[in-house]
Amino acid sequence: AQSVAQPEDQVNVAEGNPLTVKCTYSVSGNPYLFWYVQYPNRGLQFLLKYITGDNLVKGSYGFEAEFNKSQTSFHLKKPSALVSDSALYFCAVRDRWGRDDKIIFGKGTRLHILP
Amino acid sequence: GAGVSQSPSNKVTEKGKDVELRCDPISGHTALYWYRQSLGQGLEFLIYFQGNSAPDKSGLPSDRFSAERTGGSVSTLTIQRTQQEDSAVYLCASSLGLAGGHNEQFFGPGTRLTVL
Repeated sequence: AQSVAQPEDQVNVAEGNPLTVKCTYSVSGNPYLFWYVQYPNRGLQFLLKYITGDNLVKGSYGFEAEFNKSQTSFHLKKPSALVSDSALYFCAVRDRWGRDDKIIFGKGTRLHILP
Repeated sequence: GAGVSQSPSNKVTEKGKDVELRCDPISGHTALYWYRQSLGQGLEFLIYFQGNSAPDKSGLPSDRFSAERTGGSVSTLTIQRTQQEDSAVYLCASSLGLAGGHNEQFFGPGTRLTVL
């Protein structure tokens, strides 16, 4: 069965500094990996995904994530944080070779960007 | 509409009553998912549909929870004899959902359920 861990409940970063939100996963096969963001009082929005190929994936709002198979990680990054990036971020995984379309989410990491 | 819609947006009920939550997915999306988000918690998978079939019901918390989908479109999540611990935001998502696919999910705004 697949699982996702987001080890940090909250991350605080000063505006303009680089940010990283951590995610590790476990699947029996190879993963499809996703990041979603939930802004205050808004629904979840897709940010980016890893399918295959280049380990560095670029997504919306200047975010990127790096797939590391040996460390089973898919950390979300941004070179320069904005106050408007403050939100709840979810990592999700699907087993590529699974027989179903079940997608499992992590518990989420709350990102605070300090002005 | 262009997105996933859910109704009602808010539901307050008394303990022991039954509730029905509705989800209208994006037209043409074959996969539909239900999640539960409790305060301070992440997204808890409940059930998903591929067409009208639910291959995996393992996430349903108890036999008080059930879901159905008709016509490959609208889905209803029913909670019988509600308990206070059922209070949460119930999220629905849909995707193109081809088996073996990597399609992203589109989420609805959620239904906030409060059980008094």
